Amino acid sequence: AQSVTQLGSHVSVSEGALVLLRCNYSSSVPPYLFWYVQYPNQGLQLLLKYTTGATLVKGINGFEAEFKKSETSFHLTKPSAHMSDAAEYFCAVSTDMNYGGSQGNLIFGKGTKLSVKP
Amino acid sequence: DSGVTQTPKHLITATGQRVTLRCSPRSGDLSVYWYQQSLDQGLQFLIQYYNGEERAKGNILERFSAQQFPDLHSELNLSSLELGDSALYFCASSVGVTWRNEQYFGPGTRLTVT
Repeated sequence: AQSVTQLGSHVSVSEGALVLLRCNYSSSVPPYLFWYVQYPNQGLQLLLKYTTGATLVKGINGFEAEFKKSETSFHLTKPSAHMSDAAEYFCAVSTDMNYGGSQGNLIFGKGTKLSVKP
Repeated sequence: DSGVTQTPKHLITATGQRVTLRCSPRSGDLSVYWYQQSLDQGLQFLIQYYNGEERAKGNILERFSAQQFPDLHSELNLSSLELGDSALYFCASSVGVTWRNEQYFGPGTRLTVT
């Protein structure tokens, strides 16, 4: 089975500061890893994903994440926060493996709300 | 705009009732996924359809059912509604059947059960 843990339900940074949102996962098979962003009253938008290959993944809006298998982590970073980055961020893990008869699943973390102070 | 449309945007109904939520995937996408987002449970995967066939099931209650039609739009039917079913229901779509593909999310339907 798989699970996702996002450390910190709320993170506050100043504009221009480094953004670091933490995600640890558990998976018995090689996972697919995703970061999604949700702005208020909107659906989710994919920021970036890791499936195979290069472990440092670059996404939209200046975000990037590094897959570290030894640490079972996929932390999201951005060098310099903008006010427009204020939103809720979800880490998610999936696989195509067959669990309990179901072919695949996408497990989300509980989310981290990012606030950006001027 | 993700290209995924969901109707209605808001739905208010009473306990015991039945509702149908509708989703139209992005043009060319064959997979449709349904998710529930609530304060208690967070974001949970409910069910996936690919080209009209059920492919994967998550934490979907027996009172809930879904289908995908030949034109690829999908409907999620929720029956015998309870207060705890109040949530935001998202539909997402992707090109293929594999879970490595990016999923494009619709704006959601907010269901309030009173």
